[in-house]
Amino acid sequence: VHLVESGGGLARPGGSLRLSCAASGFIFSNNAMMWVRQAPGKGLEWVAGVSGKSVTTDYAASVKGRFIISRDNSKNTLYLQMTSLTAADTALYYCARSPFSGRTVTIDNWGQGTLVTVSS
Amino acid sequence: QSLLSQPPSASGTPGQRVTISCSGSSSNIGSNVVNWYQQLPGAAPRLLIYGNDQRPSGVPDRFSGSKSGTSASLAISGLQSEDEADYYCAAWDDSLNGRGVFGGGTKLTVL
Repeated sequence: VHLVESGGGLARPGGSLRLSCAASGFIFSNNAMMWVRQAPGKGLEWVAGVSGKSVTTDYAASVKGRFIISRDNSKNTLYLQMTSLTAADTALYYCARSPFSGRTVTIDNWGQGTLVTVSS
Repeated sequence: QSLLSQPPSASGTPGQRVTISCSGSSSNIGSNVVNWYQQLPGAAPRLLIYGNDQRPSGVPDRFSGSKSGTSASLAISGLQSEDEADYYCAAWDDSLNGRGVFGGGTKLTVL
């Protein structure tokens, strides 16, 4: 299993970014995927999750209405579209795989993360 | 403030047994399974326990998990210096249409 995030960088407050996660080494559509973030020096925060066939998407209250999680099973890629960014969104964003297909916080594989910095 | 409460720190000496608690509510731990993650400095987290008390392959049997009601615990026996890390509990929460939640994390120091 290999998860490689991209798309992080510097964004202005109120701006947007789109993160991607290229997955390989497993049948992508069989597994729920999620984004978990970690602000500098802080703990883990679950951000969003999507089921294997995209039947369900779920969001943390802190990002609901601003972020959209999606996946393209034909491309083995997970996305996170982030809008209306604030300084509180500054964090290392991990792409994460569940061994299960539905709504879950069980994560058996993590990417190395992509850093998002929101600053003027 | 996380929906899952963990002590910010814990400590023990080599060979000792330590436990880390995770307190939640009926909408998360009380009705869903608990997972535990270990995060070494500078590294991505690693799954230690899933389904309340199941160990993935490769995780030493020194690590064990349990759940009772709306609380869960991670126990580490035969403490080793390499166990010094941050530990997080996590569970699904059924409120607000459902979302994942992590505890605030516990920094374990091996003295």
